[in-house]
Amino acid sequence: GAVVSQHPSRVICKSGTSVKIECRSLDFQATTMFWYRQFPKQSLMLMATSNEGSKATYEQGVEKDKFLINHASLTLSTLTVTSAHPEDSSFYICSAIAGTSTFIDTQYFGPGTRLTVL
Amino acid sequence: TQLLEQSPQFLSIQEGENLTVYCNSSSVFSSLQWYRQEPGEGPVLLVTVVTGGEVKKLKRLTFQFGDARKDSSLHITAAQPGDTGLYLCAGPKGAQKLVFGQGTRLTINP
Repeated sequence: GAVVSQHPSRVICKSGTSVKIECRSLDFQATTMFWYRQFPKQSLMLMATSNEGSKATYEQGVEKDKFLINHASLTLSTLTVTSAHPEDSSFYICSAIAGTSTFIDTQYFGPGTRLTVL
Repeated sequence: TQLLEQSPQFLSIQEGENLTVYCNSSSVFSSLQWYRQEPGEGPVLLVTVVTGGEVKKLKRLTFQFGDARKDSSLHITAAQPGDTGLYLCAGPKGAQKLVFGQGTRLTINP
């Protein structure tokens, strides 16, 4: 149980275009989803927190107009990188909280999406 | 600001050796988690420690939470090539968020 999927797993796009990444909780309802980015050989950096039906909360230094997040349902959150540039190339990972944990709120991570902007 | 510092950042050892990875902070955490991440994949939760002084074992992996809940360690006995990966510690930051250490990239050579 508690499987999170991401689509696509890899995407290559031209500079200036927009790219949408989907994050789905497959067997549970996710009250909260998170978006992280990870540069090569580095750790995960939280970009934003996404709650179903409300606006995402962005971490300091993350441009909300560039990284659009939509959490339209309890099983789907999307991250759109608008007007992508080569410096946006990174590994984007989402996670989801089930909200039914009997322990601390465990985050279940997706497999990640490798974005390459040419 | 709650920061988690991991050491070493890189470790390359031979199969069969033992190793310890550390995760330290100047702040007290209510719990700490350890994840392993393989290239091109998301992190996978290995363990959560919540009680100061707690020791948890997962096969050849032993996790310890410091008495003061400011640090944790991961000890691997008789390392195998399959243990290769990025090991991340993480702790809660505010409501539901996680803060990650910078990671320890472990390579086990056959």
